[in-house]
Amino acid sequence: QVQLVQSGPEVKKPGSSVKVSCKASGDSFSSHGISWVRQARGQGLEWMGRIMPLYGITKYAQNFQGRVRITADKSTSTGYMELSSLGYDDTAVYFCAREESNGGWVWGQGTLVTVAS
Amino acid sequence: SFELTQPPSVSVSPGQTARITCSGDPLPQRFVSWYQQKPGQAPVLIMFKDTERPSGIPERFSASSSGTLVTLTISGVQAEDEADYYCQSSDTFNWVFGGGTRLTVL
Repeated sequence: QVQLVQSGPEVKKPGSSVKVSCKASGDSFSSHGISWVRQARGQGLEWMGRIMPLYGITKYAQNFQGRVRITADKSTSTGYMELSSLGYDDTAVYFCAREESNGGWVWGQGTLVTVAS
Repeated sequence: SFELTQPPSVSVSPGQTARITCSGDPLPQRFVSWYQQKPGQAPVLIMFKDTERPSGIPERFSASSSGTLVTLTISGVQAEDEADYYCQSSDTFNWVFGGGTRLTVL
């Protein structure tokens, strides 16, 4: 069973960038899509984008185009999500998730990103 | 991309049946997954490919699909089922979540 372990909480200033990591244990890192989802306090789940590590192909949600960059390092089985030009409304928990062959996802534990001056 | 619509809240008493709907125009051509999320935790997969249940998920969880409507059914609701439930689908890997339904066990 795959496990995804994310990096720790971050506090960032408005206008800066944040990079969150997601390390996978288990098998076949490269052949499963890795998606990133965020959840503001008390709100629903918002898909940000995904990467297929085997090919490095990315797809981004329209709301985040130009501001998010998703990458993956096959050698360390680690995915990354970098969000730039942070505003206060980017304060949220950011999740990574692996897309399984059955169409369901396995999720990381989440990383709280707080944007504060 | 498309939208998935869920009721914001559903309330049932213990032992009753809870039904949570998810609607969207493309659903007849797309598989739906369901996730349960408890406060402070990551979502957990409870249904996939519309009606399939992962191993380890209790049999009281089931789902059905009819046209543009998919329904998650929880039979014999227990206190531990109180959580937020999200449906999810995709359009060529553009993933979409419903707005979520808060299930309250009275």
